[in-house]
Amino acid sequence: NAGVTQTPKFRVLKTGQSMTLLCAQDMNHEYMYWYRQDPGMGLRLIHYSVGEGTTAKGEVPDGYNVSRLKKQNFLLGLESAAPSQTSVYFCASSLLVFTDTQYFGPGTRLTVL
Amino acid sequence: AQKVTQAQTEISVVEKEDVTLDCVYETRDTTYYLFWYKQPPSGELVFLIRRNSFDEQNEISGRYSWNFQKSTSSFNFTITASQVVDSAVYFCALRTNFGNEKLTFGTGTRLTIIP
Repeated sequence: NAGVTQTPKFRVLKTGQSMTLLCAQDMNHEYMYWYRQDPGMGLRLIHYSVGEGTTAKGEVPDGYNVSRLKKQNFLLGLESAAPSQTSVYFCASSLLVFTDTQYFGPGTRLTVL
Repeated sequence: AQKVTQAQTEISVVEKEDVTLDCVYETRDTTYYLFWYKQPPSGELVFLIRRNSFDEQNEISGRYSWNFQKSTSSFNFTITASQVVDSAVYFCALRTNFGNEKLTFGTGTRLTIIP
């Protein structure tokens, strides 16, 4: 049982490049989330999904897209990376309702030059 | 609107000392959930505890204890007999029951245990 995994762990992009971050969970959780962590700001929700085939915007969705084609996977895409998207990205999942405990992946450190 | 305040940005204590991390929250909802997460230097976020707004009992888990007081909107975290492995950033987070899918995080407290 690996819990929540994220790939890649590190990535450096040039401005304007695109990339996809992959989150996978093996706990059969319905809910999945993408957060970003910036210094002095805690974590902020980018997008989330309440089940396979569904996605919704969070607090800071601009510049990102997501897809949840399979229950266990949640992809975060950057179509045209900007330096402001330099951050650490965390994926999380929870079993059922919003109030359930969220379990986090190890994070992806992204630098946009 | 909801908010979590962790006023202590950084704390340093000598090993074996007790230390308390403060968390003050704001919400208009009567049903809500409070969490503590630990982020060690390796970077992952480790879940420590979840408490709902109807359960004001304090909790103890080994050297960790949590003091939930609705009267002061606080959910403080105490580490007894601190150890070097406790060095980490600790986040308090809030989630409400209705119409709010996200965890609202505080800005974290960096705890350093000096050997």
